[in-house]
Amino acid sequence: AQKITQTQPGMFVQEKEAVTLDCTYDTSDPSYGLFWYKQPSSGEMIFLIYQGSYDQQNATEGRYSLNFQKARKSANLVISASQLGDSAMYFCAMREILTGGGNKLTFGTGTQLKVEL
Amino acid sequence: DVKVTQSSRYLVKRTGEKVFLECVQDMDHENMFWYRQDPGLGLRLIYFSYDVKMKEKGDIPEGYSVSREKKERFSLILESASTNQTSMYLCASTRDLGYEQYFGPGTRLTVT
Repeated sequence: AQKITQTQPGMFVQEKEAVTLDCTYDTSDPSYGLFWYKQPSSGEMIFLIYQGSYDQQNATEGRYSLNFQKARKSANLVISASQLGDSAMYFCAMREILTGGGNKLTFGTGTQLKVEL
Repeated sequence: DVKVTQSSRYLVKRTGEKVFLECVQDMDHENMFWYRQDPGLGLRLIYFSYDVKMKEKGDIPEGYSVSREKKERFSLILESASTNQTSMYLCASTRDLGYEQYFGPGTRLTVT
């Protein structure tokens, strides 16, 4: 079974600094995808970034980048130049393709990030 | 703009009541999902559907059922609500493999 582990329940970072949120995964499937979502206090889940298992380059989206180390089975999210609005819960998730069709995501337990002045 | 809507943001029900949570998406997505979110546990998949009238159990289906009669609508049913089903329920949809899931705003259900 697939498993996603986020070992940092809470993180603090100073505004304008970079921060890395850890995510490790476990799967025996050669084809998988990794996602990061942001959940502000309002509750909505916001998609941030995606990395496919066969992608050669690390994914980047604006201030977000994914540090994908396949051999270590890690997919850490790096947020550069943190802003107060980045304060939120962050979830790492892995996509599993099902033999019967369709796909599903397995989520980690999340990391609560607080950006301070 | 893509949109997933859920019938209620907040809901309070009594133990033993039958509860319906509705989710509608306007993106013509094949795949739809129901999760519950609890502190320290992340999001856990209850049921999902990859086509009309198709449903598959997720990781925690006990105490829940689902219905998908139309492509855009996916309903979660609590046959007899219990206090341990007090949680945040999130609906999501996705077009195809490899694409991100779009989430609704969530329904915070309290069962007393």
